[in-house]
This record gives sequence, C-alpha cells and structure tokens, in this order.
Amino acid sequence: GIQVEQSPPDLILQEGANSTLRCNFSDSVNNLQWFHQNPWGQLINLFYIPSGTKQNGRLSATTVATERYSLLYISSSQTTDSGVYFCAGSYGGSQGNLIFGKGTKLSVKP
Amino acid sequence: GAVVSQHPSWVICKSGTSVKIECRSLDFQATTMFWYRQFPKQSLMLMATSNEGSKATYEQGVEKDKFLINHASLTLSTLTVTSAHPEDSSFYICSATGDSGLGTQYFGPGTRLLVL
Repeated sequence: GIQVEQSPPDLILQEGANSTLRCNFSDSVNNLQWFHQNPWGQLINLFYIPSGTKQNGRLSATTVATERYSLLYISSSQTTDSGVYFCAGSYGGSQGNLIFGKGTKLSVKP
Repeated sequence: GAVVSQHPSWVICKSGTSVKIECRSLDFQATTMFWYRQFPKQSLMLMATSNEGSKATYEQGVEKDKFLINHASLTLSTLTVTSAHPEDSSFYICSATGDSGLGTQYFGPGTRLLVL
C-alpha cells in the first residue's frame, strides 16, 4: 500500500521561529490534507491541497503532486501551535480513505 | 460550518460490555462517514467507511462483528464496540464528508474508550 512519510518526527522551536514540515508519498495521492491535532485530540483541518500553494495567516502549504510531496510552513510560531501535525491522502480508487503519516510533533517553547 | 460532533467524549466500561459511539454532522449532510482508531502516540488508522443507507466497508483486519457501524441518516453514524475488552481501549475518531467521499473530511473531537 501507499506509504506516507513525514519529517521531522519531532520538532522543538522557540516562539517566533519559522519551520517547514515535509510529507512524502510513495505513490500519487488524491485529496491531500494537512491537519493539526491539539493536545485534547481534536483534528483541525489546516489545508485541503491536492496541488499548488495555499496560505492561511501564518500557515501556508505547497503540494508538488508530480514529485509526490507536500510542505507545511509555519511562520512566527506561537505556543498554541504546539501539537501533532498530520498529512494524509487517498489514492487510486479509494477516493475518501485517507492514509495518514505518523505525524510531526511540534513543541513551541515561550 | 462543517462541524462534526461525537458522543460520548470519553467512556469507561467493564470488560464484556458493549459501547455505542455516535458521530453527527451538525451543519451539513454527510453522505460518507469514516471511523478511525488512534493508539497513544501513534497515527490514525482507518477502520471502516460508511455510506448512508448501505453497509459499511471495513478495512482489512477490522472485525465487522466486533465493530458494528450503522449510518442510519445523512447526519448520524454510530460505532458499537461489542463485548469490549481491554485491548479495545483506544481513541476513536469519526470524520464526515458531504462529497460522496471526495474532498475535505471534517473530524469529530474523538471518543476515549477505556475498558477495564
């Protein structure tokens, strides 16, 4: 099956720093999404980004579908950005069945 | 918009009992709902996909008689863990989409199950 690799697995930042999270896919994916899971377990949709670039405030994401990767940029990080960031995508005929990466655990220190 | 709720948010039960978890789309009609399971410090694993009015499709290795899924309406899906055992303790999360399974999935807040 498809493999979704996220890097880095853990990231510690000082408040105000910028960071880039990466997601690599072993095969072409559909419905690529980025999520933030807060400490209480809630998954929050960040981006639906099968291709191209999107920005939302301090966050932006870029997906290069032909090269099977996506990047999530966090600028001027805040302590509330802490949590686990997941990317996920579906593939082939399984349009809705999301395959998740193992996540990047982000800790932003004050 | 696109809010998904789950109830209960946490449950503790004795081994052998059955537990029902509800997933509701509050402000949209969910043609497709998904159920995931997440163990501590691990990623989400898809358990099954349910479409309103039809039987759920289970992922390989997921026992359909153990995890009963019913998608009775366009806003409600339920997951029943039958004869729960300690190894069923986990974080169960549902998601919903209104695009026949395509597009953005919106996730519920999850249900923490502890089986004693």
